[in-house]
Amino acid sequence: DTEVTQTPKHLVMGMTNKKSLKCEQHMGHRAMYWYKQKAKKPPELMFVYSYEKLSINESVPSRFSPECPNSSLLNLHLHALQPEDSALYLCASSQVEGEKQYFGPGTRLTVT
Amino acid sequence: AQSVAQPEDQVNVAEGNPLTVKCTYSVSGNPYLFWYVQYPNRGLQFLLKYITGDNLVKGSYGFEAEFNKSQTSFHLKKPSALVSDSALYFCAVRGSWGKLQFGAGTQVVVTP
Repeated sequence: DTEVTQTPKHLVMGMTNKKSLKCEQHMGHRAMYWYKQKAKKPPELMFVYSYEKLSINESVPSRFSPECPNSSLLNLHLHALQPEDSALYLCASSQVEGEKQYFGPGTRLTVT
Repeated sequence: AQSVAQPEDQVNVAEGNPLTVKCTYSVSGNPYLFWYVQYPNRGLQFLLKYITGDNLVKGSYGFEAEFNKSQTSFHLKKPSALVSDSALYFCAVRGSWGKLQFGAGTQVVVTP
């Protein structure tokens, strides 16, 4: 299984809502990533987990809160988002940090 | 700091003609380079990577890339483009802490 899955595919939320994005991989990868991508732009790294510990936080606002419950799962908790947070949120995984990354299909988030 | 540049926002090519997508890099030390492709409303898909060794790297879907150290380039090529190759292509370099530094992306449009 060389697939990274993400749920939900689409999410519309108000600025006062709390929601979570989920990511799962069963490739035994020990590094997992969250990216934010605006249309026609490259992905921007948000967080990296390595061996289930937060390795990199790219100065992301605290309204985004990552969680890695186990080696296969990665969550991104969202709270009090702004309209400018509307984007495609991509999850990726790799064998270890710095190696080839496998990307999920993304969650299209719209903040109203 | 490691970086890559993609000088073309868009490349237009007729089906059956050769396709080239340009990428130049700036690194200290040996580069670790990648090409990814993104189809509309999808995540990124890995095409190929260069770490060391042969300057011609073969990848997925008939793509290959040529590493040129003197010109600090890593251009993506396909001998005969298909309409289905129309997508957004990203060059990337592995930077500090194993992070991927993406280029701005090149939109490829293949016309029948």
